[in-house]
Amino acid sequence: AQRVTQPEKLLSVFKGAPVELKCNYSYSGSPELFWYVQYSRQRLQLLLRHISRESIKGFTADLNKGETSFHLKKPFAQEEDSAMYYCALSTEAAGNKLTFGGGTRVLVKP
Amino acid sequence: DVKVTQSSRYLVKRTGEKVFLECVQDMDHENMFWYRQDPGLGLRLIYFSYDVKMKEKGDIPEGYSVSREKKERFSLILESASTNQTSMYLCASNPGAGELHCEQYFGPGTRLTVT
Repeated sequence: AQRVTQPEKLLSVFKGAPVELKCNYSYSGSPELFWYVQYSRQRLQLLLRHISRESIKGFTADLNKGETSFHLKKPFAQEEDSAMYYCALSTEAAGNKLTFGGGTRVLVKP
Repeated sequence: DVKVTQSSRYLVKRTGEKVFLECVQDMDHENMFWYRQDPGLGLRLIYFSYDVKMKEKGDIPEGYSVSREKKERFSLILESASTNQTSMYLCASNPGAGELHCEQYFGPGTRLTVT
C-alpha cells in the first residue's frame, strides 16, 4: 500500500530563516506528488505539484526517487507562510486517488 | 473560479442519529470526494464518486455511505453517528474521468461533533 510520511508535526522558524518540510513516500513506481496548504480559516488548496516544476510563493519541491522524498523548501520564510502543509501522493496503482501525509504545521515567528 | 460548498460549517449531533453532510460543486466536475481530517492523521479518504450514481470506497468507509443523484451534489451519510466520528469533514472535486491526479478543489469543511 502506498504511504506518505511527514515526520514533523510542527516546525517553528523565525522570519527570514530557511524552512524545509520533509515528505517521504512509499511506492515503487512513478508517483505524482503534491503539496497542499491550509491557511488559518481558509480551505485546503494546492500549493504545487512536482510535474509542474514551478516555484509558488517562493516554495520549491524536488522529487527524489532514489530517496523517495518530496521535501518542500523556502529559503526565507515569511509570517504569512504560517499554515498547515500536507504532502500527497497519487499513483496509477491506486486509481490515482490521493493519499495524504499527516501534515506539518509551520509557525513563522516575527 | 471553482466553488465547492458544504451545507454546514458546524454540526452537533447525538450518538445514534442519522447525519447528512451535503456538498455541492458548480464546475461540472466528474469526480467528487469525501475526506475526514484529524490531527496527526492528515486527510483520509472515505468515499469518492466518478460519476452520477457511481461510488467507490476509500480507505475508511466503515460507518459511512454516500449518495450522488446529481452531478453537482455528493452527500455523505452517517447511518448511526458515533463519538469516534467526531471530526472535520472535507469535500473535494476535480474534473474529468481518468484525471484523478489533477488538482482537487476543497470545500470549507464541516466540523461534526457527536455527543
